[in-house]
Amino acid sequence: AQSVTQLGSHVSVSEGALVLLRCNYSSSVPPYLFWYVQYPNQGLQLLLKYTTGATLVKGINGFEAEFKKSETSFHLTKPSAHMSDAAEYFCAVSYTGGFKTIFGAGTRLFVKA
Amino acid sequence: EPEVTQTPSHQVTQMGQEVILRCVPISNHLYFYWYRQILGQKVEFLVSFYNNEISEKSEIFDDQFSVERPDGSNFTLKIRSTKLEDSAMYFCASTRTSNTGELFFGEGSRLTVL
Repeated sequence: AQSVTQLGSHVSVSEGALVLLRCNYSSSVPPYLFWYVQYPNQGLQLLLKYTTGATLVKGINGFEAEFKKSETSFHLTKPSAHMSDAAEYFCAVSYTGGFKTIFGAGTRLFVKA
Repeated sequence: EPEVTQTPSHQVTQMGQEVILRCVPISNHLYFYWYRQILGQKVEFLVSFYNNEISEKSEIFDDQFSVERPDGSNFTLKIRSTKLEDSAMYFCASTRTSNTGELFFGEGSRLTVL
């Protein structure tokens, strides 16, 4: 069975500081991995995804994530936080042949001025 | 830009009543999903739908729930005899390709059961 664990339900950074949101997955088959962002009172939108190929993937708004199979991790980073990055971030996993995407519990990012 | 639309945005109902949440997926998408998010909690998979039948469902999706694609555009979630614990935000999503593709989410329907 697939599962996702996001370490830290809340992360607070200063504007301009590095953003690091942690995600570990469990999958018995090669996973497809995603990061979604949810702004208040909105649906989720895709930040980036890993399916195959290059393990460092770049997404929108300057975010990137690296798939590390040996660590079963897919951490999300951004070099310099902006106030507009404040939102809830969800890591998610699916797999080929499956019909669902499983989401982690989410990490709320706060950005301080 | 095409988007997934959901109605109503907010519905308040009495316990025991039936509720239908409606979704219009993106027109050329083939896979449809319902997810639920109880306030402050994780986004939970309910059901996936492809080729006019359920592809997969979670343990949450019991006999109280049903889905239907009554015409070429709408995708509905029916909750029979609602319970207090059904109060949540319900998100519809669609995608053109199964699981390797991006899920496009609607803005959600907030259900409040009193």
